[in-house]
Amino acid sequence: KAGVTQTPRYLIKTRGQQVTLSCSPISGHRSVSWYQQTPGQGLQFLFEYFSETQRNKGNFPGRFSGRQFSNSRSEMNVSTLELGDSALYLCASSPEQYGYTFGSGTRLTVV
Amino acid sequence: AQSVTQLGSHVSVSEGALVLLRCNYSSSVPPYLFWYVQYPNQGLQLLLKYTSAATLVKGINGFEAEFKKSETSFHLTKPSAHMSDAAEYFCAVSDQGLTGGGNKLTFGTGTQLKVEL
Repeated sequence: KAGVTQTPRYLIKTRGQQVTLSCSPISGHRSVSWYQQTPGQGLQFLFEYFSETQRNKGNFPGRFSGRQFSNSRSEMNVSTLELGDSALYLCASSPEQYGYTFGSGTRLTVV
Repeated sequence: AQSVTQLGSHVSVSEGALVLLRCNYSSSVPPYLFWYVQYPNQGLQLLLKYTSAATLVKGINGFEAEFKKSETSFHLTKPSAHMSDAAEYFCAVSDQGLTGGGNKLTFGTGTQLKVEL
């Protein structure tokens, strides 16, 4: 059974640019969540999508957005990148009830 | 709001010794609790989860955790540490089950486990 796939694994962007990260959940999982991990702030919840609808949102500025497609694949977008957006972005997929499987993450570096 | 506190950002044990990583939670309703492990440059791997069934939960790689409501704790233990256990461990609480909560994990700050020969 394939796990959660995140692409790309590494990304370097320039301040002011925008970036799109992709997440393919485990087959059959309808919920996809995104988390940001930084040394200073730890693991922070960004948002969760379920059946193409955003069901929950963390405390991040509007520059951070996401979406989910009909096949449950999800993308997150960060516009107008700032140096502080450098982080490991983790995607997790879940079936209907309490199970969270994480991908290997996308390491974003903003220069 | 739910929260998790992990006592000790760094824990060092000898190989073969008991591993004890502490986690205390705050929740106004029965929580769902999780332990994850993260190896360098990797994502999070689920070790075990508590979902209101048995209070003693057994996970992978010989780890287990006991849910103690009176102490609001969910400490992670392993009887005998192995070098391969060296990693960062995160305790997390989920608000799943709350009305409109959806799936959201709130993580502790993590505990770096070092295993020495």
